[in-house]
Amino acid sequence: DIQMTQSPSTLSASVGDRVTITCRASQSINTWLAWYQQKPGKAPKVLIYKASSLQSGVPSRFSGSGSGTEFTLTISSLQPDDFATYYCQQYNLYSFAFGQGTKLEIK
Amino acid sequence: EVQLVESGGGLVQPGGSLRLSCAASGFTFSSYEMNWVRQAPGKGLEWVSYISSSGSTIYYADSVKGRFTISRDNAKNSLYLQMSSLRAEDTALYYCAKGDIAAAGIPFDYWGQGTLVTVSS
Repeated sequence: DIQMTQSPSTLSASVGDRVTITCRASQSINTWLAWYQQKPGKAPKVLIYKASSLQSGVPSRFSGSGSGTEFTLTISSLQPDDFATYYCQQYNLYSFAFGQGTKLEIK
Repeated sequence: EVQLVESGGGLVQPGGSLRLSCAASGFTFSSYEMNWVRQAPGKGLEWVSYISSSGSTIYYADSVKGRFTISRDNAKNSLYLQMSSLRAEDTALYYCAKGDIAAAGIPFDYWGQGTLVTVSS
């Protein structure tokens, strides 16, 4: 099975900062990678799919990049609404494994 | 508006069974893949199972293979998860999630609010 590893597990940042979260796959997944945002008590929301495609309605400060085994999610200028937990997910071969999550906290 | 409403959760003893349902509306249910995803209290997301739009293709996570069965009734716009031989580690909030990989390449574009399953004696 493909394993997904996110780093860091926790990230402290301030409003206006540029932040990057990394996700690594244990084998190549081409660009079959999605990013989700989850706030406490709420269902996850898809931000990015196919590694770099922005889901409709998601602010353009979110962007994704990468292919193969290494991927990044970048938030160009943090807004108060962005403090949440972020998950990557691969959807390459017969499974849809998630990373362990990155909690983005206010510094 | 797409809506996914899960039901059927509750308290069950170890070794017991439970059937979850997900009622879908606001889209042509028979045209889309569906999934179950779970989240143990305070933990991350874990994909559980996938079913294709017709029901002909099904996948399971290794952690539930042989114990859980996913199914759908396209005439009733409903998704199901039959869970048996339940263990304490199956305790989680169970979400149903709509997929659109075939047409748009998006794995899970809409989610329900979840139904809580607690396995305890």
